[in-house]
Amino acid sequence: GQQLNQSPQSMFIQEGEDVSMNCTSSSIFNTWLWYKQDPGEGPVLLIALYKAGELTSNGRLTAQFGITRKDSFLNISASIPSDVGIYFCAGRWNNDMRFGAGTRLTVKP
Amino acid sequence: SQTIHQWPATLVQPVGSPLSLECTVEGTSNPNLYWYRQAAGRGLQLLFYSVGIGQISSEVPQNLSASRPQDRQFILSSKKLLLSDSGFYLCAWRMDTDTQYFGPGTRLTVL
Repeated sequence: GQQLNQSPQSMFIQEGEDVSMNCTSSSIFNTWLWYKQDPGEGPVLLIALYKAGELTSNGRLTAQFGITRKDSFLNISASIPSDVGIYFCAGRWNNDMRFGAGTRLTVKP
Repeated sequence: SQTIHQWPATLVQPVGSPLSLECTVEGTSNPNLYWYRQAAGRGLQLLFYSVGIGQISSEVPQNLSASRPQDRQFILSSKKLLLSDSGFYLCAWRMDTDTQYFGPGTRLTVL
């Protein structure tokens, strides 16, 4: 089946720094989604990407759907302490949705 | 707007006891519904999904089962819990479009 490789697994950054994480797959997807999960809560959708090459922003967050349809990245600019959490990518192909293992982000004030 | 609820929020159960977790969705009709389990610090494991009333697909064979008695209700059950069933259970819904939304989750601890 389709597998997603999400990296890095964890990041420790200083407040104000920019963050970049990505997901890759050996198979193509027709949708990429990025979620953030706070401790003890369900994942919350941050950005949805529907077309290859699409670049979408949501505040300080920017995500892109790779041209090959096999990858996506998420950037966070000027990180703040509330950015702490686990970020998941998800790729959808028809009725099948796969999730990355998550990137745990820690922001030091 | 659509809302998804999960009940209970937290549950502590002894090994061998039964389980029933409920998920309900408001503001939409005939959604695809999903049950995921998340072990501590880990990613999401799809357990079951349903495309309609009474239609359940199982992704991982185990001692859990799911049912969809109503269009917007999805239930996760077990007759006898195992220690390994502990985890964070998430319900999610999706329409024909691509975006999937998660509920707040249920923290299950099996002792």
